[in-house]
Amino acid sequence: DGGITQSPKYLFRKEGQNVTLSCEQNLNHDAMYWYRQDPGQGLRLIYYSQIVNDFQKGDIAEGYSVSREKKESFPLTVTSAQKNPTAFYLCASSSRDRAPSYEQYFGPGTRLTVT
Amino acid sequence: SQQGEEDPQALSIQEGENATMNCSYKTSINNLQWYRQNSGRGLVHLILIRSNEREKHSGRLRVTLDTSKKSSSLLITASRAADTASYFCATDTGRRALTFGSGTRLQVQP
Repeated sequence: DGGITQSPKYLFRKEGQNVTLSCEQNLNHDAMYWYRQDPGQGLRLIYYSQIVNDFQKGDIAEGYSVSREKKESFPLTVTSAQKNPTAFYLCASSSRDRAPSYEQYFGPGTRLTVT
Repeated sequence: SQQGEEDPQALSIQEGENATMNCSYKTSINNLQWYRQNSGRGLVHLILIRSNEREKHSGRLRVTLDTSKKSSSLLITASRAADTASYFCATDTGRRALTFGSGTRLQVQP
């Protein structure tokens, strides 16, 4: 089965702790993205990566960090500097080869709760 | 504010009725996409319409695009209870990543 996996589905952390969210894809997509979704809201872009070993900040990158060492993997670390980390985090990927269409494929999401 | 803004924010209809939701955006686009999200899940791509297209169909979905008004609409015909979800428009401006609107929450009553 091809797709995107995110783990874990639910994550609980104490305030002040860093936490890393996993995102893996086997779609052979070049581009990967991290979004944050708050209740009843749309998606806000945190970071994106168009190619291995390269990534760019999105609209709300403060308090987050990423790495892209492998094409298949794009983990997101929520650091203690993130003021309001409790949210639903979505990972997505897209194929840059399918220009001009860049539909994104989403993982199931990780719901992070920080207390 | 977001590039794409959906209207209405929430919509409740009876099974069998049509559901129409609208999206407005601010800057020029390469394409506009519609996604669906079931509660607590990831988004699923529904349909993409390019800037040089005016209308597109996929099953019970009909999407229109008016680039002069910078707006798009998604019509779901003969709705079913299983269509209950949030629907998001997303614009591709060719810059970096899609920009998503805040979504329309659709409730289809059986």
